[in-house]
Amino acid sequence: DAKTTQPTSMDCAEGRAANLPCNHSTISGNEYVYWYRQIHSQGPQYIIHGLKNNETNEMASLIITEDRKSSTLILPHATLRDTAVYYCIVRVGSSGNTPLVFGKGTRLSVIA
Amino acid sequence: GAVVSQHPSWVICKSGTSVKIECRSLDFQATTMFWYRQFPKQSLMLMATSNEGSKATYEQGVEKDKFLINHASLTLSTLTVTSAHPEDSSFYICSAAVLAGFNEQYFGPGTRLTVT
Repeated sequence: DAKTTQPTSMDCAEGRAANLPCNHSTISGNEYVYWYRQIHSQGPQYIIHGLKNNETNEMASLIITEDRKSSTLILPHATLRDTAVYYCIVRVGSSGNTPLVFGKGTRLSVIA
Repeated sequence: GAVVSQHPSWVICKSGTSVKIECRSLDFQATTMFWYRQFPKQSLMLMATSNEGSKATYEQGVEKDKFLINHASLTLSTLTVTSAHPEDSSFYICSAAVLAGFNEQYFGPGTRLTVT
């Protein structure tokens, strides 16, 4: 079962920052937070991951609270192409050899 | 970046027939591949973990005799849906883990199976 809770859906105006929250209150010390997104009828796309420090890459930023019980994915300047379902996933370790367990995710709609 | 392909991208078959779906890692080797299934408006459900050269590990509730998985090389895993029925119609997605300790998995584009 998924160990995360996310809002079902969110809207964001094009060009504004999209902030997607995720609760993972039962996270363990050796579990990482991963974010993937799935555009309609495509395979999921990796966005970012982190353990306890905030992370930033060319796609997004990941803010993890100090107690690690929640996190926020930030898309700094959302575009229409960012419309997708965003999945927050908690997984033991950083090895790609353990499966990802998907919850229901947040459906983000970017509006012109 | 790492690319995973699936073939076919969509397939329509008659009830009772078998369908094979291929998952290939194009520019990297993958000791482990995963197979997921996704029904309309639902999330991805893990079906099985496929390790090169060994038997696949199936999730609870997934019939191993119906969903045959073969991972014969470091770049290819296949999923065969045997004696397909309309309830097997779904979006099948594979993912591959890079051999050398990267953190993310790379997903294929998915295969849409429709059983009539």
